[in-house]
Amino acid sequence: DAGVIQSPRHEVTEMGQEVTLRCKPISGHNSLFWYRQTMMRGLELLIYFNNNVPIDDSGMPEDRFSAKMPNASFSTLKIQPSEPRDSAVYFCASSGLAGYNEQFFGPGTRLTVL
Amino acid sequence: AQSVTQPDIHITVSEGASLELRCNYSYGATPYLFWYVQSPGQGLQLLLKYFSGDTLVQGIKGFEAEFKRSQSSFNLRKPSVHWSDAAEYFCAVDLRNTGNQFYFGTGTSLTVIP
Repeated sequence: DAGVIQSPRHEVTEMGQEVTLRCKPISGHNSLFWYRQTMMRGLELLIYFNNNVPIDDSGMPEDRFSAKMPNASFSTLKIQPSEPRDSAVYFCASSGLAGYNEQFFGPGTRLTVL
Repeated sequence: AQSVTQPDIHITVSEGASLELRCNYSYGATPYLFWYVQSPGQGLQLLLKYFSGDTLVQGIKGFEAEFKRSQSSFNLRKPSVHWSDAAEYFCAVDLRNTGNQFYFGTGTSLTVIP
């Protein structure tokens, strides 16, 4: 398996623009997680899905952030409009069925908002 | 309340020296416990995990961790550090033991000097 795939790997955009981050989880995994990592706040869980359904989005910073998982093999995290304080590395992770609880992380998307 | 604590923000060791990274958790029951490593510019990679049974867990890259219920700790150790071990190390707990309630510590940055 190719592991968790994220695109793009790097994104530079201007304040006010819409940004869409993409994630393909490991085939067969039923849970998907979006994290944000910054120097100041460390690794923060933004939202997670179980069987394509959002279970906990309490970590989503504000309404400018939204996440979808239209099917088991694809998820997006959208920021609209983007702000400089959104600059961070965004990770997607997936995990499988009970008994295989570890999360497998993608390489991350480094977002810079100018 | 903080579920997992890594008291050491940064540690420096000499190559060949032994290493111990501390991790403490706060939870009534025994959660599932994990150690991840993040090399610069990379995603998080699982080093090892503890679910139950033998309290000394072996992982990849020569790492091991010991679960101590009385101390609510899950410290990571390596007998002889290599320069390639320089990275950020994260302890994580899964409170619901389902893969869906992960909390990461703030991380410990390891520097290895020749």
